Amino acid sequence: QKEVEQDPGPLSVPEGAIVSLNCTYSNSAFQYFMWYRQYSRKGPELLMYTYSSGNKEDGRFTAQVDKSSKYISLFIRDSQPSDSATYLCAMRGGTGGFKTIFGAGTRLFVKA
Amino acid sequence: DVKVTQSSRYLVKRTGEKVFLECVQDMDHENMFWYRQDPGLGLRLIYFSYDVKMKEKGDIPEGYSVSREKKERFSLILESASTNQTSMYLCASHQGGGFAEAFFGQGTRLTVV
Repeated sequence: QKEVEQDPGPLSVPEGAIVSLNCTYSNSAFQYFMWYRQYSRKGPELLMYTYSSGNKEDGRFTAQVDKSSKYISLFIRDSQPSDSATYLCAMRGGTGGFKTIFGAGTRLFVKA
Repeated sequence: DVKVTQSSRYLVKRTGEKVFLECVQDMDHENMFWYRQDPGLGLRLIYFSYDVKMKEKGDIPEGYSVSREKKERFSLILESASTNQTSMYLCASHQGGGFAEAFFGQGTRLTVV
């Protein structure tokens, strides 16, 4: 079983839709939860991060962490064609130290 | 505004060749990482380094080695390239422990024929 599970998609939605991206994990020691966005032919870039449980909002993006369920989510409101990218969840902390564990990435297409 | 630079965007090498992938960061970060990215598998850690001349194996180190002679430069070496090492290779760096944003290079797409 992978430490971090993420559905690779692809996920296709119409412009303006609310998008929900999710990851589950098995290591309860993870403390830092991140979402990276990767456009085609580019390296990933940090989109949002949260520490421990709770929600964090940044514009149209909301990150949620439920440590009791070992489940994290990224919500995108009013999705735009420019949001089309691969979204990777990532986690770090506990005995892993500096190591960041990435999900497989979900490929998102937002149609105009 | 370039922060992490990988020496090549695309490489084609022959089976058995020794391949060098170079990565340079200009942010004075202590930690540097090499990942490979394959469809459906996400980013898998090959090696990382938390200081000059220090290296640690990641999850898939077989067939690879690394070198970090200077703080800003981290090299990935494929000792004898094989077709199953055809992949996208990504270098990243970040500062310190705890939470720290990782900055990635643009990636090197390596094809071994």
